[in-house]
Amino acid sequence: SQQGEEDPQALSIQEGENATMNCSYKTSINNLQWYRQNSGRGLVHLILIRSNEREKHSGRLRVTLDTSKKSSSLLITASRAADTASYFCATVSISGNTPLVFGKGTRLSVIA
Amino acid sequence: NAGVTQTPKFQVLKTGQSMTLQCAQDMNHEYMSWYRQDPGMGLRLIHYSVGAGITDQGEVPNGYNVSRSTTEDFPLRLLSAAPSQTSVYFCASSYSGAKTEAFFGQGTRLTVV
Repeated sequence: SQQGEEDPQALSIQEGENATMNCSYKTSINNLQWYRQNSGRGLVHLILIRSNEREKHSGRLRVTLDTSKKSSSLLITASRAADTASYFCATVSISGNTPLVFGKGTRLSVIA
Repeated sequence: NAGVTQTPKFQVLKTGQSMTLQCAQDMNHEYMSWYRQDPGMGLRLIHYSVGAGITDQGEVPNGYNVSRSTTEDFPLRLLSAAPSQTSVYFCASSYSGAKTEAFFGQGTRLTVV
């Protein structure tokens, strides 16, 4: 069964705006990861945040993790048309020995 | 560096046929897995392997078989294809299980008619 649920399912913004996607999950985790998928392509890893971390940055990406609320958010600042893609969160159980469990994704459209 | 290579990219099968989806990685990763992606369903785990000779079932294993005779290869076999197996299949590998990032292949789009 799917652990993570992204919100919203779809998001459309103008180029230059910020995009925020949220992920909620059900059970305790070892880490949470965000991936991007361009149309017709495989998934590409963006950021991994461990359960003892609260925030991580990578370029224009900012990920937060709130383990008390079992939620994470992905912020893309100053979005570009090239950011148009589907974004997935994936969780790893607290043991760290189980495979990634993906949510259903958020489809982001950035309009130039 | 090729990363994770899946073949074929596209395949059409008739109901009842069998076939093998190939997955190979050249990163010496111990951990490999197969997912299927259906519209509105995200990715669901079919089978995974934590090393050569070791495999385990995921969320949706029925109708699929795997083996891991080498570190590099992790083929997925469809035993008797059904229309419900029409999907896009992704293979992934990682260095240290799910504690590190996963690398994905480009996918195999399978249609069963």
